[in-house]
Amino acid sequence: DVKVTQSSRYLVKRTGEKVFLECVQDMDHENMFWYRQDPGLGLRLIYFSYDVKMKEKGDIPEGYSVSREKKERFSLILESASTNQTSMYLCASISGQGSPLHFGNGTRLTVT
Amino acid sequence: EDQVTQSPEALRLQEGESSSLNCSYTVSGLRGLFWYRQDPGKGPEFLFTLYSAGEEKEKERLKATLTKKESFLHITAPKPEDSATYLCAVQASPGNTGKLIFGQGTTLQVKP
Repeated sequence: DVKVTQSSRYLVKRTGEKVFLECVQDMDHENMFWYRQDPGLGLRLIYFSYDVKMKEKGDIPEGYSVSREKKERFSLILESASTNQTSMYLCASISGQGSPLHFGNGTRLTVT
Repeated sequence: EDQVTQSPEALRLQEGESSSLNCSYTVSGLRGLFWYRQDPGKGPEFLFTLYSAGEEKEKERLKATLTKKESFLHITAPKPEDSATYLCAVQASPGNTGKLIFGQGTTLQVKP
């Protein structure tokens, strides 16, 4: 079974802090994704990566950056956290086109 | 613009009362349609992939069907443990990233 592991289940950060969300997958998948999930808005794509050191913006990249130095690890960075970034963050990976995304259990981030 | 709409937003059923969830989609080309189940505080769990109109998939009390414009998730004789949010997503073609476009989900509550 594919395993996608997000390092933290819950995080509480202060406005202006730099925040790192870590994600690791164990199936040698090429493509990895970061989504955020908010009530009434569903899942929205922030960034994705299709190879090491390669990244592309999703639908809502403002205020975020990403890093992919190794194939198995994909990090989401909030350069200066703001209260409107309080959300559930979900990492996912995929084995190929036409295949399902496999999700981690999410990180519930609260910015105060 | 590629779009996915799910209805209803919320559904309450009595145990044993069968029903269907709807997922309408608009995409330039469909590579795949995916159904996920999400329990509170957890990441989405993959249920089914459908690739072409007329295709059907079944798993226990769930059956997913696909037409050219929509998909249905039929729940037969549901049990309280089927209570969850059900998400529909599409993967569009052309494109080689594997990213999914999600609907907002249907929250199902099954009462004993």
